[in-house]
Amino acid sequence: AQSVTQPDIHITVSEGASLELRCNYSYGATPYLFWYVQSPGQGLQLLLKYFSGDTLVQGIKGFEAEFKRSQSSFNLRKPSVHWSDAAEYFCAVGRNEKLTFGTGTRLTIIP
Amino acid sequence: GAVVSQHPSWVICKSGTSVKIECRSLDFQATTMFWYRQFPKQSLMLMATSNEGSKATYEQGVEKDKFLINHASLTLSTLTVTSAHPEDSSFYICSELGQFNYNEQFFGPGTRLTVL
Repeated sequence: AQSVTQPDIHITVSEGASLELRCNYSYGATPYLFWYVQSPGQGLQLLLKYFSGDTLVQGIKGFEAEFKRSQSSFNLRKPSVHWSDAAEYFCAVGRNEKLTFGTGTRLTIIP
Repeated sequence: GAVVSQHPSWVICKSGTSVKIECRSLDFQATTMFWYRQFPKQSLMLMATSNEGSKATYEQGVEKDKFLINHASLTLSTLTVTSAHPEDSSFYICSELGQFNYNEQFFGPGTRLTVL
């Protein structure tokens, strides 16, 4: 069975500082990997996705993520966060239509 | 990406009543849509897969008689919470498969259901 672990429930970062959100997955084959962002009371917006090819993928809003097969990880990074990045971030793994989500990491930005 | 709308964005109802939530694909015909449920501060849990013209496929533990799904057209799927109770209060989100890549989903803005 596929699963996703986001070990950090809540992260607080100063505005302008760098960010890394962790995601580990368990999947029987080569997975498709996704990062979504959710603002309070809103649906999910896709930040980036990995299907194949270059293991470093670029997404919207200045985010990037790196797929590391040996570590079963797909960590999300941003070099300099903005106050508007405060939200809930979900990592997801899937193939053949079904997605499994991690429990999410809530990001708080302090001035 | 695809554009998905949901209506209503929030609803409050009395215990015992039924509530219908609509999910619309605004930019292409979606043969497959998904319904998720999200409790406060928790992740999304897939409830069911909605297929146009056929019965929905429910995930284990989801009561099909309580959560009725209808996908009568290629642009509309509905979720009806029947005889709602306070424990059904949650955030319900639908999604559709990408038009060009069936491994990508696009999500609606969600519907907040509060049952009194």
